[in-house]
Amino acid sequence: DIVMTQTPLSLSVTPGQPASISCKSSQSLLHSDGKTYLYWYLQKPGQPPQLLIYEVSNRFSGVPDRFSGSGSGTDFTLKISRVEAEDVGVYYCMQSIQLPYTFGQGTKLEIK
Amino acid sequence: QVQLVQSGAEVKKPGASVKVSCKASGYTFTSYGISWVRQAPGQGLEWMGWISAYNGNTNYAQKLQGRVTMTTDTSTSTAYMELRSLRSDDTAVYYCARDGSVAPFDYWGQGTLVTVSS
Repeated sequence: DIVMTQTPLSLSVTPGQPASISCKSSQSLLHSDGKTYLYWYLQKPGQPPQLLIYEVSNRFSGVPDRFSGSGSGTDFTLKISRVEAEDVGVYYCMQSIQLPYTFGQGTKLEIK
Repeated sequence: QVQLVQSGAEVKKPGASVKVSCKASGYTFTSYGISWVRQAPGQGLEWMGWISAYNGNTNYAQKLQGRVTMTTDTSTSTAYMELRSLRSDDTAVYYCARDGSVAPFDYWGQGTLVTVSS
């Protein structure tokens, strides 16, 4: 199975400040079709996860542009340009290049 | 709008079975697959498997092979996940999620808590 490793596991950020989460995969997520199958999800407290970013850097419908994704191969980053109170929750990266789909351990974002 | 509405919480004894439903609306059910993801208390997310709502093809996580069955009823746009021989470590919130056109799990159900306890 592909192992997804996130750092840090927790983050405390002042509103208006940036935040960054790293995700590393044990194998390349670049497919022969040219796509990279890396996604980011946010699970707000008491809610199901919600899709933020697909294929490394594409924001899903309705996701604010303060969220951005980057990276390639095995190293990926989610950035929040200016954290807001509504961004609290646990962020997960996930790969779908190979079954079973696997998630990172999650990064808990708190507001200072 | 896309909605996935799951059945209510369940309490089961070890060795029993549970069947969770996921009713879809707001899109053409047979055009997308459905995945099931579970989350043990205070833990991360675990993919359990996937079913095509078009033809019923399935892929299950190896660790659950033999204990899990995913089905769909296209007449009611409902997906089902049955887990048998329940153990205490199956206690979790079980989510269904649509396998979307741009990403797996683009829309999620609200979750169903399954508690396994004697």
